[in-house]
Amino acid sequence: NAGVTQTPKFQVLKTGQSMTLQCAQDMNHEYMSWYRQDPGMGLRLIHYSVGAGITDQGEVPNGYNVSRSTTEDFPLRLLSAAPSQTSVYFCASSSLSGAPNTEAFFGQGTRLTVV
Amino acid sequence: AQSVTQLGSHVSVSEGALVLLRCNYSSSVPPYLFWYVQYPNQGLQLLLKYTTGATLVKGINGFEAEFKKSETSFHLTKPSAHMSDAAEYFCAVTPNTGFQKLVFGTGTRLLVSP
Repeated sequence: NAGVTQTPKFQVLKTGQSMTLQCAQDMNHEYMSWYRQDPGMGLRLIHYSVGAGITDQGEVPNGYNVSRSTTEDFPLRLLSAAPSQTSVYFCASSSLSGAPNTEAFFGQGTRLTVV
Repeated sequence: AQSVTQLGSHVSVSEGALVLLRCNYSSSVPPYLFWYVQYPNQGLQLLLKYTTGATLVKGINGFEAEFKKSETSFHLTKPSAHMSDAAEYFCAVTPNTGFQKLVFGTGTRLLVSP
């Protein structure tokens, strides 16, 4: 039972570099989302998707891009990394059936440091 | 806009003592409410959720929470703490229509001493 898988687990980037955080789920969930977790701020929603080809912005979308070409995958792209993007990133998925009162399943996170 | 306030970034209890983690929400209509737990270096895991009807909600690992509309609160309790309960706990809300857009509180780290 894989659930939600995030890669990589750790990453160090230099300012200005780009990278893609990968997220895959095997539960056939329509809804997927990306959060960032910063000390004292909880988790904040970056982008979300309600199905293949449909994405929208969350609370803190600046500097991030997403696309959803399949139900399973929802990659998060950092276009030009900045130190302010140092954070722990979590991907989550949930079923739209019964939404919004459904359980969100989280990956184990990607710890990103931008130097 | 909806928001969640968790009082106390850290709560310390002794093993066997009562655990009380506070959560208050701000919403024009009662939202759906959740408690998630995060163990060290792990993702978040659902502890329990409020659905309309029963105001006392039981979750996993002996935790429960009571929804009090008049106080806009959803505090998390456990009668007797175990060492394994040491973790960070997040209260979250989502609008009660449409799809899920979780808004999280800032979290409370529970420390359990022997």
